[in-house]
Amino acid sequence: QVQLVESGGGVVQPGRSLRLSCAASGFTFSRYGMHWVRQAPGKGLEWVAVISYDGRNENYADSVKGRFTISRDYSKNTLYLQMNSLRVEDTAVYYCARDGPGDSSGWYSGFFDYWGQGTLVTVSS
Amino acid sequence: DIVMTQSPDSLAVSLGERATINCKSSQSVLYSSNNKNYLAWYQQKPGQPPKLLIYWASTRESGVPDRFSGSGSGTDFTLTISSLQAEDVAVYYCQQFYTGPVTFGGGTKVEI
Repeated sequence: QVQLVESGGGVVQPGRSLRLSCAASGFTFSRYGMHWVRQAPGKGLEWVAVISYDGRNENYADSVKGRFTISRDYSKNTLYLQMNSLRVEDTAVYYCARDGPGDSSGWYSGFFDYWGQGTLVTVSS
Repeated sequence: DIVMTQSPDSLAVSLGERATINCKSSQSVLYSSNNKNYLAWYQQKPGQPPKLLIYWASTRESGVPDRFSGSGSGTDFTLTISSLQAEDVAVYYCQQFYTGPVTFGGGTKVEI
């Protein structure tokens, strides 16, 4: 069965960096685009970033562009999110999610058919 | 960005009764070339990640009970739970994937 397991969250001071990981299993990792989606405490969902199945394309929310980098390691079946220059407003549970079955109209579908359990990032001085 | 507006913010429904959640997009999410609405619905129970229920506005994800149904087109969409069960207590989100950035509605909390 599909499993996505995030790790790497924690408490970090504003301006510092953190790297999140998402270990994928139960499917062919190299065939799917992957996303990060976050949820601030008690709030709604916000899409953060996407990487294509082959790693050649990336896209980011404006709120994190230039600070966050999404990447993937096929040898480890792992998705990453490098977060630099963290801000208080980045505090959230970060979920990795698999890109859903699209219609080939773009390089990703943009909806999410499997989600991990999430990892909490708290940015605080 | 496309703004997704859900209503109501919360609703209380008796067991076995119908629950209806509305979602409105600030622009059409219907792609005319394939007549598909790029709209998904998710269910999030407390302490859990979201779970995909519906995509293409009305296609039920595998394993989702048939009491969940999605309808609508263009800018106005509805998620219906035909006969509410205790395990359906959750927050429900709509999401457009018509254009980037993909965006979510604010959520609707369903209670008994």
